[in-house]
Amino acid sequence: AQSVTQLGSHVSVSEGALVLLRCNYSSSVPPYLFWYVQYPNQGLQLLLKYTSAATLVKGINGFEAEFKKSETSFHLTKPSAHMSDAAEYFCAVSVETGNQFYFGTGTSLTVIP
Amino acid sequence: GAGVSQSPSNKVTEKGKDVELRCDPISGHTALYWYRQSLGQGLEFLIYFQGNSAPDKSGLPSDRFSAERTGGSVSTLTIQRTQQEDSAVYLCASSLMGLGHSNQPQHFGDGTRLSIL
Repeated sequence: AQSVTQLGSHVSVSEGALVLLRCNYSSSVPPYLFWYVQYPNQGLQLLLKYTSAATLVKGINGFEAEFKKSETSFHLTKPSAHMSDAAEYFCAVSVETGNQFYFGTGTSLTVIP
Repeated sequence: GAGVSQSPSNKVTEKGKDVELRCDPISGHTALYWYRQSLGQGLEFLIYFQGNSAPDKSGLPSDRFSAERTGGSVSTLTIQRTQQEDSAVYLCASSLMGLGHSNQPQHFGDGTRLSIL
């Protein structure tokens, strides 16, 4: 079975500061990993995905994530936070032989001006 | 449009009434998922449809919940005899999912905000 743990349900950063949102996964087979963003009153939008190619994945809006197998992690980062980055972020995992995505409980990002 | 469409966007109903929520997935997507998102919570998986296979209903919280997908496209989630705890955002997603396509992401609609009075 697969699972995802997002450490920190709420993260606050100052505008211009580094954003780091943590995601650890559990999977007995090679995983596919995803980060989604959810703005208020909207559905989830895909930020980026890891599908066994390059371990450093670049996504939209300046976000990137690095797959670290030894640490079973897929943390999301952005060098400089913008006010528009304030949203809920979800990490998700799936596997080649599976039919489901497993989502973390989400991290709410607040950007302080 | 080309995205996942859900209707209605908002629904307010009285306790005990039945409600139907509709999802129109992206054309060509064989997989369709329903999730429930309660205030401040993550996504709770409800049900999954893949092509013509029997749906995975393992996430439905009670027998008051049911869903169908007609013609492999539009899906309807039905909640019978609604209770106040059913109040939540119901999200639908579709993807090119299944064996050999598990690396395809899900595409979400904007959800239906259900409020039970």
